[in-house]
Amino acid sequence: DTGVSQDPRHKITKRGQNVTFRCDPISEHNRLYWYRQTLGQGPEFLTYFQNEAQLEKSRLLSDRFSAERPKGSFSTLEIQRTEQGDSAMYLCASSLGLTENTEAFFGQGTRLTVV
Amino acid sequence: GQQLNQSPQSMFIQEGEDVSMNCTSSSIFNTWLWYKQDPGEGPVLLIALYKAGELTSNGRLTAQFGITRKDSFLNISASIPSDVGIYFCAGPNSGNTPLVFGKGTRLSVIA
Repeated sequence: DTGVSQDPRHKITKRGQNVTFRCDPISEHNRLYWYRQTLGQGPEFLTYFQNEAQLEKSRLLSDRFSAERPKGSFSTLEIQRTEQGDSAMYLCASSLGLTENTEAFFGQGTRLTVV
Repeated sequence: GQQLNQSPQSMFIQEGEDVSMNCTSSSIFNTWLWYKQDPGEGPVLLIALYKAGELTSNGRLTAQFGITRKDSFLNISASIPSDVGIYFCAGPNSGNTPLVFGKGTRLSVIA
């Protein structure tokens, strides 16, 4: 399967714990995006990378969130000291990063539940 | 930032009926994308539109890029039970920036 892959699919954690999610993009895509989605809402942009460079961070991304893409391939999203409000679906997407083709392809998501 | 408004928020239709939903913005978009999301899954890209006035089909789905560049429509013909899900419109704020999404239209199909 050459689509976007996310791991884990589900994560239940206690409040205050740290969690880390992984995303493997489509191999020829140089852009990688992280989104968060809560019930009844569309995906909300968190941050994105062009190769290994993190180009933009949303104000939704508090200091407890950090994302990396060290070699321009897979990416990790870490949430420190989780809070119940962090419970959501975390989606990763990738794209070619071309102005003439902005199509982004999503993984299956990681559903985080903070108890 | 720019917001995308989708309507209706939800709809219930009989199997076999045609469906129409739309997406509007207060600002011009140069690209419109339509996605479908099943419960517990990530959004799946259905159709991409890059030119004002463009009409593009994907099987029973047809989408149009509005002439004003501020709206787009998605039509589904002869709906079937597997069409159930949430349909999102999306587009880049400007140029090649990350996509912004509407809140979705939830479609239910009654067999």
